[in-house]
Amino acid sequence: SQQGEEDPQALSIQEGENATMNCSYKTSINNLQWYRQNSGRGLVHLILIRSNEREKHSGRLRVTLDTSKKSSSLLITASRAADTASYFCATYDTGGFKTIFGAGTRLFVKA
Amino acid sequence: GAVVSQHPSRVICKSGTSVKIECRSLDFQATTMFWYRQFPKKSLMLMATSNEGSKATYEQGVEKDKFLINHASLTLSTLTVTSAHPEDSSFYICSARDWGAPDTDTQYFGPGTRLTVL
Repeated sequence: SQQGEEDPQALSIQEGENATMNCSYKTSINNLQWYRQNSGRGLVHLILIRSNEREKHSGRLRVTLDTSKKSSSLLITASRAADTASYFCATYDTGGFKTIFGAGTRLFVKA
Repeated sequence: GAVVSQHPSRVICKSGTSVKIECRSLDFQATTMFWYRQFPKKSLMLMATSNEGSKATYEQGVEKDKFLINHASLTLSTLTVTSAHPEDSSFYICSARDWGAPDTDTQYFGPGTRLTVL
């Protein structure tokens, strides 16, 4: 079953702009992860944020987590055409050890 | 980092045949592996949790007899799609956690197997 819901479902921006994607989930979690997937390819792990963390950075990526609202956001700054991909949040819940994926956001960065 | 491989990467088969997909953890032992399927432009749906030496745990709505999972060793899990039909055409992805690593929260994904049933 799906855990997270993401918005927007699709996002089209110009190169150089920032892209923000949001994810909401339903249960208590140990951590939340963001992945990237290029069309027809496997998943690339981007960043993991634990339930006791509020913000995390990795290069041009910034992730926030609000456990009170059960939501997370992924910000990609100074986007590049190569950032064009689908982005998924995934939660690892406290009730088990499964990772459940959100619906994903398809990002298109125009050069 | 840990690596998970899948074989084959792509398979085309006729309707009614069975297809086996392998998932291997290359440099760590995986007592638990996970199988996901992904339809075009959709998210990954967890199908089942594969447990080494015991029966797999299937998610609600996933047919056990249709998708046979075997996890006979600590580095290999197989998913067999039995009597495949065109609606089984999908992208199948496996993953595993390295419970022996300092960070057991990281899940490692295979590159996926694209199944096309004619």
